[in-house]
Amino acid sequence: DQQVKQNSPSLSVQEGRISILNCDYTNSMFDYFLWYKKYPAEGPTFLISISSIKDKNEDGRFTVFLNKSAKHLSLHIVPSQPGDSAVYFCAAVLSGNTPLVFGKGTRLSVIA
Amino acid sequence: EAGVAQSPRYKIIEKRQSVAFWCNPISGHATLYWYQQILGQGPKLLIQFQNNGVVDDSQLPKDRFSAERLKGVDSTLKIQPAKLEDSAVYLCASSFWRGGREQYFGPGTRLTVT
Repeated sequence: DQQVKQNSPSLSVQEGRISILNCDYTNSMFDYFLWYKKYPAEGPTFLISISSIKDKNEDGRFTVFLNKSAKHLSLHIVPSQPGDSAVYFCAAVLSGNTPLVFGKGTRLSVIA
Repeated sequence: EAGVAQSPRYKIIEKRQSVAFWCNPISGHATLYWYQQILGQGPKLLIQFQNNGVVDDSQLPKDRFSAERLKGVDSTLKIQPAKLEDSAVYLCASSFWRGGREQYFGPGTRLTVT
């Protein structure tokens, strides 16, 4: 039972263009969402997060949008750079003392 | 600030053997997590510690997996005996306070069981 779903296993984008990574969730009780980036042979690195009371959070080239009614969030990377090529994981957490629930990840390839 | 340290980075063992992984979290982080990441999947929580107490071990296969966090700092995860399906990357993460939020991950240990 996948509570956090990333339906696109891979995405290929040209350098300089926008990358949009999508994530859907099923549990309406999730109240905080995070994106992690993972390079080969390294652990996931925290990228950006958003609370359920917000609909947008921006940090430099990275913006996360949350649509609670659709149970959908997306990560926008503008402009995309070759160094952004990695696997991106969406994660969600319930309020209180509960662990992160991860999606399966989307592999982003930014082509120069 | 030093990150989360894990060792070994790679381990190959035969099924039915035992193996142990070590984790040293970021200094001052009271909460420590062990995740299992099978190829093509997202990380799945095995166990969560708050200081040296277990908060959540509901997904830990307790017949073969065990973990401890002595003195509330370093932690060890053990598998005994290993099965083929235990082949995965074992990730350790830490955070400042209970409840997940931003967790900081180590590089992981890639275990191959043959």
